[in-house]
Amino acid sequence: KAGVTQTPRYLIKTRGQQVTLSCSPISGHRSVSWYQQTPGQGLQFLFEYFSETQRNKGNFPGRFSGRQFSNSRSEMNVSTLELGDSALYLCASSLVGGTLYEQYFGPGTRLTVT
Amino acid sequence: GQQVMQIPQYQHVQEGEDFTTYCNSSTTLSNIQWYKQRPGGHPVFLIQLVKSGEVKKQKRLTFQFGEAKKNSSLHITATQTTDVGTYFCAKGGGADGLTFGKGTHLIIQP
Repeated sequence: KAGVTQTPRYLIKTRGQQVTLSCSPISGHRSVSWYQQTPGQGLQFLFEYFSETQRNKGNFPGRFSGRQFSNSRSEMNVSTLELGDSALYLCASSLVGGTLYEQYFGPGTRLTVT
Repeated sequence: GQQVMQIPQYQHVQEGEDFTTYCNSSTTLSNIQWYKQRPGGHPVFLIQLVKSGEVKKQKRLTFQFGEAKKNSSLHITATQTTDVGTYFCAKGGGADGLTFGKGTHLIIQP
């Protein structure tokens, strides 16, 4: 089975711009979660989507949003980028979602905001 | 949100020595998961512990869940260079997704 894929792998944006990141989960997985990883804050949960519905949301401002499509692929969007948004953005898929199931992480998108 | 505290932050060992990382919570955990992230890589699931006092082994790795379900540990016997990376514990059970500890960076000197 193919693993979780994320595109693009690297991205450089300017403050004030917006960005859209894409995640394709493992075939058959219906849950996609997004995490932000920075050296200072570590791995932080952004949101989880299951069957096209946002099920859980972390403590991030409204500039961070996401969606899930009927084929379980997911996108996350960050509007009005700030320097502090520079991070590795990871998506993870699991079979049915929730936190009682192992998560399979993608390679991440490295976002640099200048 | 409620945190999981992970110690130590860094651990230097000589190849062949043992390594242990600890994960502590102030509240009872419904489950704990462990992940490994190699330098430049992404987190990879290692194991999940659910039962009080549970001990699970994977080759040289031993995972324990405390009796009170407030702490967990990962022990690696006779480290090898392939063990290099950051080991994260993560707690679940809430509406906040997985809550990760800050991780323990394992550095191995040959």
